[in-house]
Amino acid sequence: SQELEQSPQSLIVQEGKNLTINCTSSKTLYGLYWYKQKYGEGLIFLMMLQKGGEEKSHEKITAKLDEKKQQSSLHITASQPSHAGIYLCGAALGGSNYKLTFGKGTLLTVNP
Amino acid sequence: GAVVSQHPSWVICKSGTSVKIECRSLDFQATTMFWYRQFPKQSLMLMATSNEGSKATYEQGVEKDKFLINHASLTLSTLTVTSAHPEDSSFYICSASIRGVGYTFGSGTRLTVV
Repeated sequence: SQELEQSPQSLIVQEGKNLTINCTSSKTLYGLYWYKQKYGEGLIFLMMLQKGGEEKSHEKITAKLDEKKQQSSLHITASQPSHAGIYLCGAALGGSNYKLTFGKGTLLTVNP
Repeated sequence: GAVVSQHPSWVICKSGTSVKIECRSLDFQATTMFWYRQFPKQSLMLMATSNEGSKATYEQGVEKDKFLINHASLTLSTLTVTSAHPEDSSFYICSASIRGVGYTFGSGTRLTVV
């Protein structure tokens, strides 16, 4: 079974709308990372969350980590076409600096 | 800082030939490098973990004789796809872990085997 479950798999929103992507782990999280990618290109680092309850924001993107629930959410406020892409959550499930396991990704489309 | 330079960014090769992909850490020493593969519309799948000066650790289902990983120095790790076939066509990307900082990724290599 998938160690990191990411939902939804795909999302289509109208420009200006808010959206949330979730990432749930079946194991203890030692660090949760959010990346954005356009297929065939490298990963763009968004956020790193390490402590339970931690919340970080950058521009219109906010990520939270619920350590007890082994879950993280990524929230985009007032989405723009530039937010379109694949969002991946990655977690070091075996310890810090351990190999990163990735969720299957969420394909976000923002319609103007 | 903490940049991983990956080359080539894309390569087309004939079936049966070998292709080498390089990842260099430019301003830090990478004792551990991770190699991932990504098929279209799928997520990144870890292939192997390479440690400087020792044999790589391969994930289940990854052929170590086909995907040769060398990590001979603290700044260079290479992945060689030997006797490539069309099913090896994919996006390959490396990553280095930096203690206390996180992970940095190369820009990826798109391999097409014809």
